[in-house]
Amino acid sequence: AQTVTQSQPEMSVQEAETVTLSCTYDTSESDYYLFWYKQPPSRQMILVIRQEAYKQQNATENRFSVNFQKAAKSFSLKISDSQLGDAAMYFCAYTFNNAGNMLTFGGGTRLMVKP
Amino acid sequence: DAGVTQSPTHLIKTRGQQVTLRCSPKSGHDTVSWYQQALGQGPQFIFQYYEEEERQRGNFPDRFSGHQFPNYSSELNVNALLLGDSALYLCASSLAAQNTEAFFGQGTRLTVV
Repeated sequence: AQTVTQSQPEMSVQEAETVTLSCTYDTSESDYYLFWYKQPPSRQMILVIRQEAYKQQNATENRFSVNFQKAAKSFSLKISDSQLGDAAMYFCAYTFNNAGNMLTFGGGTRLMVKP
Repeated sequence: DAGVTQSPTHLIKTRGQQVTLRCSPKSGHDTVSWYQQALGQGPQFIFQYYEEEERQRGNFPDRFSGHQFPNYSSELNVNALLLGDSALYLCASSLAAQNTEAFFGQGTRLTVV
């Protein structure tokens, strides 16, 4: 079975600084996708960034980038120039090809941004 | 585009009762997945509907059932409610084709007393 682990229940960052959230996963599949979702107090899950396992290049979306280490099964999220609006729960998630977007989530990391 | 909409937003039920939650997918999407998110935890996959049939199911008892209608909207039914069923229930829609993003609704907060 696939598992996703987020070892940091809470993280804190000063506004305008950089923070990295960690995620590890376990799978026997070779073709899969990894995601970071943001869940603000409004509760709606918002996709931050996605990574296809077959792509060696790390995904980037504006201030958000990932460090994808396939051999180590590690998928960390780096947030640069942190903003107050980045404060939320962040969930790492996994799905494999032919899974029809059935997602396995980690336990989440609460990110606090200090002004 | 209204995105994924869920109703109701909050619900309080008594142990032993039955509940129905509703989800309308994002326009153009044909697949609906349901997740249970207990307080302080990540969402857990309940099941997925495509072409009006349950396509995949997570590790949830038969008390959890669902339905998908011809317009792709979906219902989640939970029978014989337990206190442990209290959670945020999230609906996500996507296209059956691979490599597509799942869009989430804002969820239904169910409290069982």
